[in-house]
Amino acid sequence: EPEVTQTPSHQVTQMGQEVILRCVPISNHLYFYWYRQILGQKVEFLVSFYNNEISEKSEIFDDQFSVERPDGSNFTLKIRSTKLEDSAMYFCASKTDRSTRELFFGEGSRLTVL
Amino acid sequence: GESVGLHLPTLSVQEGDNSIINCAYSNSASDYFIWYKQESGKGPQFIIDIRSNMDKRQGQRVTVLLNKTVKHLSLQIAATQPGDSAVYFCAENVHNTDKLIFGTGTRLQVFP
Repeated sequence: EPEVTQTPSHQVTQMGQEVILRCVPISNHLYFYWYRQILGQKVEFLVSFYNNEISEKSEIFDDQFSVERPDGSNFTLKIRSTKLEDSAMYFCASKTDRSTRELFFGEGSRLTVL
Repeated sequence: GESVGLHLPTLSVQEGDNSIINCAYSNSASDYFIWYKQESGKGPQFIIDIRSNMDKRQGQRVTVLLNKTVKHLSLQIAATQPGDSAVYFCAENVHNTDKLIFGTGTRLQVFP
């Protein structure tokens, strides 16, 4: 069964460092998302991406965050200068088209900022 | 199984019993609602969804009920199995957006 894959599974970084989280969405999917989940809290929307541009973003997704689809398969989330409060599980998700309601999530990348 | 609201984070049921997980949502303009299951160390997994113009939808061993009058959503799991143990989240898709707003999860524990 096709799945969304994410790397790394866990990254530990120092505050102020740049982090790139990588995702390979399901191959025929066109809509891509990042969500995050701070330990013990709700899953929160960060950004949606379609046709090589951001279609929606949340208040969390400030200038420190960026997304990119550098090639036909990868979808990355970059945090330029990490803060302690960026520590969370980051989930990539994808779906085939906008009207589809089933969103497929990856297993997540845990980011720990020290 | 015992019905609890999301202010009680854990629901414990005996294997074979039915489980009912509840969710209160806030936005009356949501187009659809989804239940996700999240097992430890994994991402949310789609279970079932329901459009806002419906009040009930059934899947395999699961039923979702929507009460728009009181903005309440529930997930019923029939004959709960140990493999159903997980955290369950409801989520809503607000009209004219492409994002999901997740609720607070409920942990379902199934004991033999």
